Order: sequence, then structure tokens, then C-alpha cells
Amino acid sequence: EDKVVQSPLSLVVHEGDTVTLNCSYEVTNFRSLLWYKQEKKAPTFLFMLTSSGIEKKSGRLSSILDKKELFSILNITATQTGDSAVYLCAVVDYKLSFGAGTTVTVRA
Amino acid sequence: DVKVTQSSRYLVKRTGEKVFLECVQDMDHENMFWYRQDPGLGLRLIYFSYDVKMKEKGDIPEGYSVSREKKERFSLILESASTNQTSMYLCASSYTQGVRLGEAFFGQGTRLTVV
Repeated sequence: EDKVVQSPLSLVVHEGDTVTLNCSYEVTNFRSLLWYKQEKKAPTFLFMLTSSGIEKKSGRLSSILDKKELFSILNITATQTGDSAVYLCAVVDYKLSFGAGTTVTVRA
Repeated sequence: DVKVTQSSRYLVKRTGEKVFLECVQDMDHENMFWYRQDPGLGLRLIYFSYDVKMKEKGDIPEGYSVSREKKERFSLILESASTNQTSMYLCASSYTQGVRLGEAFFGQGTRLTVV
């Protein structure tokens, strides 16, 4: 059975801190790994990763994939209260499987 | 912009009722998915479909069925609703080829309460 495990399940930080979220996976026929941000509505797309070692960046967010060790990390630097959300990792093989998510709370 | 539309935002149904949740996408995606989301459990895949009239069970299909008669529409059916099916239901569709392979777009969600 496909498995996507995120850690930590939740964390609380202060504005300006850096956050690192982890996602490990076991799937039969890996095609890509996706990161989503979910506030009080539907998840919104952040990154798609298909190749090892190539960092994707968008503003203060960045992500990288290691296909040998089967994990990805999502970094958020200089956190702001607007970064408070659930961050979801998903892996594509013949379907799309999600982890349980990491709840990030950023305090002012 | 891709649009995935779910027919209801909030729904309250009685135990034993047959419940239909509808989802429509406008991007000609082959893949469509139904998930339920519960606190601490993330998104769990109920069913998905990779083509018209094709369906595959996800991780938690028990108590659910699906229908895909047209490419743009994917319906989730609760044959006999039970209280443990109270949840947020999310529909998604995705590309199956090209550089955006696998990227999923979500509907706004249906919060179903079974009483």
C-alpha cells in the first residue's frame, strides 16, 4: 500500500522563524511529489517536484526532493502570520495519495 | 483558470438516506478524485476515475460508490448514509500528461453532516 508520512504533525513558531516540514513516501511507481497549502478552504498548489536535488523556490518558500532516500522537505523562511495553515504533501503514481498534513501556527 | 465545482458547500442528511455529491470540472482532465478529510487524518482517497465510466477504489471505498458518465462530471454516492460518514468531502481533477502531470485542482469542499 502506498504511504505518505509527514512530520511533524503540528508546530508553533514566532514570526520571523524558519520552518522545515518533512515528507517521506513509499509508492510503487513514483511520478511526482506535490506540496499544497490549506487554509480554511480547499488546498492550493505550491510546488511540484519530479527530479532529485533541484530546489524549487517561490518567495520565502522552497522545496527539494531526494528520490534516493524517498523524502522531500518544504522550508518557509521569515515566517509571517499568513503562513499559518495546514501543509499537505502528496505523491503521484497511478493515483494521488496525501499525507496527514502538518499544521503550522505562526504567532505574532 | 481551472474550475472544479462541487454542488453543495454544506449538506445535512439523515442516517440511511442515499446521498449524491456532484463534482464538475472544466479543464478536460482525465483524472478525477474524491477524498474525505478528517482532523488529524489528512485527505484519504475514496475513489478515483481515469476516464469516462472507469473507476478505481482508493484507500477507503467502503460505503461509497461513484459514477462517471461524462468526462467533466464525477459523482460520489453514499448508498445509505451513516454518522461515521460525517466529514468534509473534496473533489479534485488533474492533468495526466505534460509538465503539469499529476497537479490536482480542488473544489471548494462539501461539509456533510449525517444525523
